[in-house]
Amino acid sequence: AQKVTQAQTEISVVEKEDVTLDCVYETRDTTYYLFWYKQPPSGELVFLIRRNSFDEQNEISGRYSWNFQKSTSSFNFTITASQVVDSAVYFCALSVITDSWGKLQFGAGTQVVVTP
Amino acid sequence: GAVVSQHPSRVICKSGTSVKIECRSLDFQATTMFWYRQFPKQSLMLMATSNEGSKATYEQGVEKDKFLINHASLTLSTLTVTSAHPEDSSFYICSARRARGRGNTIYFGEGSWLTVV
Repeated sequence: AQKVTQAQTEISVVEKEDVTLDCVYETRDTTYYLFWYKQPPSGELVFLIRRNSFDEQNEISGRYSWNFQKSTSSFNFTITASQVVDSAVYFCALSVITDSWGKLQFGAGTQVVVTP
Repeated sequence: GAVVSQHPSRVICKSGTSVKIECRSLDFQATTMFWYRQFPKQSLMLMATSNEGSKATYEQGVEKDKFLINHASLTLSTLTVTSAHPEDSSFYICSARRARGRGNTIYFGEGSWLTVV
């Protein structure tokens, strides 16, 4: 069985501070995909990034960056110089090849609150 | 623009009635779609896997007779909440898997807010 843990329930920061969201996953599969999604109050899921288990290269995209470490089963996400528009719930998710690829196991989510 | 469209985005129904939610892939064929439910301030939980031309696969604890899923075409899956009750009020969201060969990608619909009064 797969499991995704986002231990941080809520993070509050002041604008321009950096925010790091933790994600720890569990799976026995060797081939899997990890995702981060943003969910604003309107509800839709905004895709941020996808990583497969063979690609540990970290990535930076604008103010977003991701740190994937298989050794610790972590896939952390950092928002640099946060803005009020970053306020949302962020979900980490896992999908394994052997169990109907595309079927996502979501973490509990982390509410990010950015105040001016 | 959206590649997976979900309709309606919001619906209010009376207790005891049924409501249908559609999930449509707009520019690709989706043999597999997924339905999730999200209660307020909670995570998204998979309800079922919808397979075109065959029966849906339900997750443990999800009543298949209450949440009817039909995937009659390669671009449309529907979720019908039968005999809805206030505890069924939730956010329902679907995703569609793009067929292999065109890249392994999943797309989410915009979600549907269901309120049962």
